[in-house]
Amino acid sequence: GAGVSQSPSNKVTEKGKDVELRCDPISGHTALYWYRQSLGQGLEFLIYFQGNSAPDKSGLPSDRFSAERTGGSVSTLTIQRTQQEDSAVYLCASKFGALSDSYTFGSGTRLTVV
Amino acid sequence: SQKIEQNSEALNIQEGKTATLTCNYTNYSPAYLQWYRQDPGRGPVFLLLIRENEKEKRKERLKVTFDTTLKQSLFHITASQPADSATYLCALASEGSQGNLIFGKGTKLSVKP
Repeated sequence: GAGVSQSPSNKVTEKGKDVELRCDPISGHTALYWYRQSLGQGLEFLIYFQGNSAPDKSGLPSDRFSAERTGGSVSTLTIQRTQQEDSAVYLCASKFGALSDSYTFGSGTRLTVV
Repeated sequence: SQKIEQNSEALNIQEGKTATLTCNYTNYSPAYLQWYRQDPGRGPVFLLLIRENEKEKRKERLKVTFDTTLKQSLFHITASQPADSATYLCALASEGSQGNLIFGKGTKLSVKP
């Protein structure tokens, strides 16, 4: 597609439930990132995929968070046993592999845990 | 510890004036710095990149400066318009970071007619 697509755009879930957030990057972009943005806060790095390399998971806040990227394209971020503090906008970005390339972001998934 | 600070959470200016936004960093050696614009309910959109060996970059009404001695980047919007109202984020990547960006919290710019 022309841009980075994220789904769903909004998700309301009950505390303790699992959620899956999807990101469909721009075709040909080898790097994919997940960030979290809470109200009034900056973008918090979560995880980074580059080609077939092992992902950089250093930003995941707890073992309830996991992500995978299948076939070097679509990525899914999974949050298990959601907590209220997980409420935020989850943003996905992709870029070509060159170091200084800019990111193209999706519009995000707004997650609300009630 | 490493920090990126955008000095103003909010900046209000009159239409036609020049908006100047500041990004300071500590304990980084950035290879380059990028500026993004974010509108409500949307993801950030790339505006400009400036490398460590560049002093200034321009694009239409936008200008970015980068002073590695002061550890500071300034982002200017000349002849500002109400449509420029948005949150502006600076982001930097250190050498050896594989291009992974660390973002500031952003400055919310409001341009009043």
